[in-house]
Amino acid sequence: EDQVTQSPEALRLQEGESSSLNCSYTVSGLRGLFWYRQDPGKGPEFLFTLYSAGEEKEKERLKATLTKKESFLHITAPKPEDSATYLCAVQAPFGGNRDDKIIFGKGTRLHILP
Amino acid sequence: GAGVSQSPRYKVAKRGQDVALRCDPISGHVSLFWYQQALGQGPEFLTYFQNEAQLDKSGLPSDRFFAERPEGSVSTLKIQRTQQEDSAVYLCASSQGTSGYNEQFFGPGTRLTVL
Repeated sequence: EDQVTQSPEALRLQEGESSSLNCSYTVSGLRGLFWYRQDPGKGPEFLFTLYSAGEEKEKERLKATLTKKESFLHITAPKPEDSATYLCAVQAPFGGNRDDKIIFGKGTRLHILP
Repeated sequence: GAGVSQSPRYKVAKRGQDVALRCDPISGHVSLFWYQQALGQGPEFLTYFQNEAQLDKSGLPSDRFFAERPEGSVSTLKIQRTQQEDSAVYLCASSQGTSGYNEQFFGPGTRLTVL
């Protein structure tokens, strides 16, 4: 069964304390892996798309990496405004002539203390 | 518009009532997705439109759920005879291309509470 597992479920860091969030996936034929940020009461906001193992993307204090089994979202010297839930999603073939499926993980709730 | 909008933002329904949730995607976006997000969970796929065609409705939990996008722009998700387990945030997302590989832009969601 295709699965996306994010860890940890929640993470509290001091401002400036770097860390990494993990997204492990088991799907047949990964098409793409997406990272989103979600603030309370809002819809997810797109951060990155990764397509193949070894690929890396950066945006401000965030850096996403991808291997054949997992992705990491590295946060360098975070600030309180980085506090949010970070969601990982994968896109994989359904099989046959059906469109691809998109599966989200449950997210990691990140809280940065000032 | 500047982004994806959804209405209403909050909806309280009595069990057994029908509800209709609206999504206005970004103008020109071909693809439109509906997701259901329970508290503390990630979004779960419900259905996908490419223009007015509903290409995938495999995620709709029961035949009480129905979605349409008759003119290829605005979409409505209808839930008939609501049940308590339908309580969740319903998210709409749109993307420019014809596949989900493209960045999806999400609306703020409609929080449905069924009493």
